[in-house]
Parts: sequence; structure tokens; C-alpha cells
Amino acid sequence: AQTVTQSQPEMSVQEAETVTLSCTYDTSESDYYLFWYKQPPSRQMILVIRQEAYKQQNATENRFSVNFQKAAKSFSLKISDSQLGDAAMYFCAYRNSRYFGNEKLTFGTGTRLTIIP
Amino acid sequence: EAQVTQNPRYLITVTGKKLTVTCSQNMNHEYMSWYRQDPGLGLRQIYYSMNVEVTDKGDVPEGYKVSRKEKRNFPLILESPSPNQTSLYFCASPPGEGTDNTEAFFGQGTRLTVV
Repeated sequence: AQTVTQSQPEMSVQEAETVTLSCTYDTSESDYYLFWYKQPPSRQMILVIRQEAYKQQNATENRFSVNFQKAAKSFSLKISDSQLGDAAMYFCAYRNSRYFGNEKLTFGTGTRLTIIP
Repeated sequence: EAQVTQNPRYLITVTGKKLTVTCSQNMNHEYMSWYRQDPGLGLRQIYYSMNVEVTDKGDVPEGYKVSRKEKRNFPLILESPSPNQTSLYFCASPPGEGTDNTEAFFGQGTRLTVV
């Protein structure tokens, strides 16, 4: 079974600074997807960024980028130029790439990010 | 607009009183799933459905039932709720087979308290 580990329950960063959230995972599969989800106080689950395991290039979405290290099974999220609206709980998640079967997302335990004005 | 709609958003109930949380999607997706979110545990899958009349257990199915009589709806049923089912519940629906879009659409969440 796959597992996802987020070892930082809480983090804080000064507004406009850069912060990196860590995530490691364990799987025996070679093809899979990794995601970062943001959960603000509204509880809504918002997809921040995704990475396909077969792509070597790290995904980037505006101020959000990932450092995907497949051999190390590491998938960290970097937030540049942090803004007050980035304050939220962030979840790392894994999903097998096979379409036939349970399309389960396996989540980490989350990192609560606080932005200091 | 593509949506997954859950109701209610908040629910307080007493132990043993049957309840249903509804979930509906307007995207014609075959796959739907229920998760519960607890502090320090992240989100865990309760049940999933690959199509109408096809459902199966996830990682934490005890105390829950589901049904999938039509494609758009996937209700979560608690026949006899207990306090350990107090949690935040999410319904989710990814596009599934035959598409490159892997984003799962989540409902707004249902905060359930069982006293």
C-alpha cells in the first residue's frame, strides 16, 4: 500500500518570503501522480499543483513549484513571494496512474502554513 | 460549471440516529468517492464507486454504507452514528478513465458532530 508522509505539522513564513513544504511517499509503482492540495479556512479542497511521475521536469504554477525527486520519493512544494492568502492547510497526495480500479487519493497528514505580515 | 454538491454542510446529531449525507455531481463522471478528514490523520477513503450499482470499501468503511442508484448521486449513510464518526466528510469525483485530466473535484465538505 502507498503511504504519504508530511513531517512538518506547522510552518510559518514572513510575507513575501519563500517557504518549502516537505512530502515523502512510498510506493512500488513506477507510474503515478502526485498532488498538492490547499485547504483554506473555508474547508474547500483546492488543487495547487500536480506532477506526473514519468515527467522529469518539475511542475510549476505561478508562484508554486515542486521539487520532484523520484528516486528519493520526495515531492516538496515551494511557495515564492508568500502572500496572506496562502495561509492554509496543505496536503500532499498520491494516486496510481492506472485508470482501471480504485482512483483513490492517498493523503499525507497535512502542514498548516501561517503567513506572518 | 463543474460541481460536486454535498449537503448538509453542518450536522449535529445524537448517537444512534440514522443520517444521510448527500453528494451529487454534474459532470457525468463514473467514479465517486467519500473521504473523512481527521486532525493528524489527513483524509482517508471510506467508500468508492466505479459506476452505477458498483461500490466497494475504502480504508475506513466500518459504520458507513453507500449506494449508487444513479450516476450523479452517491449518498453516504450512517445507520447508527457514534461519536467516533465525528469528522469532516468530503465527496470527490475525478474524471476517471479515458482522460488525461486527473483533478478530483471535491464537494464543500460536511462537518458532522455526533453527541
